[in-house]
Amino acid sequence: DTAVSQTPKYLVTQMGNDKSIKCEQNLGHDTMYWYKQDSKKFLKIMFSYNNKELIINETVPNRFSPKSPDKAHLNLHINSLELGDSAVYFCASSRGLAVNTGELFFGEGSRLTVL
Amino acid sequence: GNSVTQMEGPVTLSEEAFLTINCTYTATGYPSLFWYVQYPGEGLQLLLKATKADDKGSNKGFEATYRKETTSFHLEKGSVQVSDSAVYFCARASGGSYIPTFGRGTSLIVHP
Repeated sequence: DTAVSQTPKYLVTQMGNDKSIKCEQNLGHDTMYWYKQDSKKFLKIMFSYNNKELIINETVPNRFSPKSPDKAHLNLHINSLELGDSAVYFCASSRGLAVNTGELFFGEGSRLTVL
Repeated sequence: GNSVTQMEGPVTLSEEAFLTINCTYTATGYPSLFWYVQYPGEGLQLLLKATKADDKGSNKGFEATYRKETTSFHLEKGSVQVSDSAVYFCARASGGSYIPTFGRGTSLIVHP
């Protein structure tokens, strides 16, 4: 059983389209994250949710909207896709803020290519 | 702010060579320090960690020592294998949320 699973793994789309990436974790963790990894492997946090509540929202364009229907799921919706959105998006989870050890569990990534 | 600086890659080594990947961190907030590894086509996974000064983290033959005096957490391995080829990320976490900040990653390529 995959601990943190993301779908789709690959996504190729045209500029201007709207797309979603889904993430689920079966670890019973309270906190979930979205990270963006660019072509040079630089990893930057975008959002973090703790028990379905948004706790971190870095300087991300408002075309990006996370949604957490329950604490096991954190989906990422992107409107009006741009070329610069091409990247690998990683979902991650951790135990929870009160007991956070700093260890994150990552999904395998979703490679988004905008043409 | 909180940041982590890693040496630029790629680091290219022959099998059984000694590995060092340098990492320095900003010292605010008594951080915990981590090394994560990303194998090709996979997500990051925790390799080792250290939570206070002079602690040594170790796993799979890799080691790193938390050096407060030099604000460093260099990753070392005595004899690398081809299967160690991956991207290695140094990270720090501190403060109330304890969410890691990652360095830029260092690619390691090991040739047979």
